[in-house]
Amino acid sequence: GAVVSQHPSWVICKSGTSVKIECRSLDFQATTMFWYRQFPKKSLMLMATSNEGSKATYEQGVEKDKFLINHASLTLSTLTVTSAHPEDSSFYICSARMAGADTGELFFGEGSRLTVL
Amino acid sequence: GQNIDQPTEMTATEGAIVQINCTYQTSGFNGLFWYQQHAGEAPTFLSYNVLDGLEEKGRFSSFLSRSKGYSYLLLKELQMKDSASYLCAAMDSNYQLIWGAGTKLIIKP
Repeated sequence: GAVVSQHPSWVICKSGTSVKIECRSLDFQATTMFWYRQFPKKSLMLMATSNEGSKATYEQGVEKDKFLINHASLTLSTLTVTSAHPEDSSFYICSARMAGADTGELFFGEGSRLTVL
Repeated sequence: GQNIDQPTEMTATEGAIVQINCTYQTSGFNGLFWYQQHAGEAPTFLSYNVLDGLEEKGRFSSFLSRSKGYSYLLLKELQMKDSASYLCAAMDSNYQLIWGAGTKLIIKP
């Protein structure tokens, strides 16, 4: 099956620093990738939709200057949490939709747990 | 507005059968997904229904009724490893997924 790799799995950083999370589709091309945030015991919250070669579409309430998304190629999207603060600590998950697929099935990365001290 | 409803938590016994229901209201409809998520891990795909009826895949089956805006996930011969959260998600006319809050399934010996 299609594999999406997310890196790093765990990251601990100091308040005020920036953290970059990568999402790669390893064996398929993904024209669209999605970034989610998940709080403990809660469902996925869509943050933004990332389209290759264009600006990401952010959901209401998500600060685009805070959460920078870049989808530079058909296999890589990055999420950068800028000037991270403790309230940004969360589980961040990416998913990808296969280019040309006739279903909407999404393939998820393993997730990245961010802890901001 | 768009909305997905599913029970917050369910408990079942190992070896038994459990049905997790999901009702949805979306602007347009392009399919209904079920995902399994173990604590601390990313969701994994279980099923996709876009036509009415039952789709069977091993111990798991998923049912859809578009006219009723209703789906269920049926898990048979429950195993302890099936303890997880089960997420229902409906795809709207813009191909955006609307997620339910998830149903935490607890399996008891």
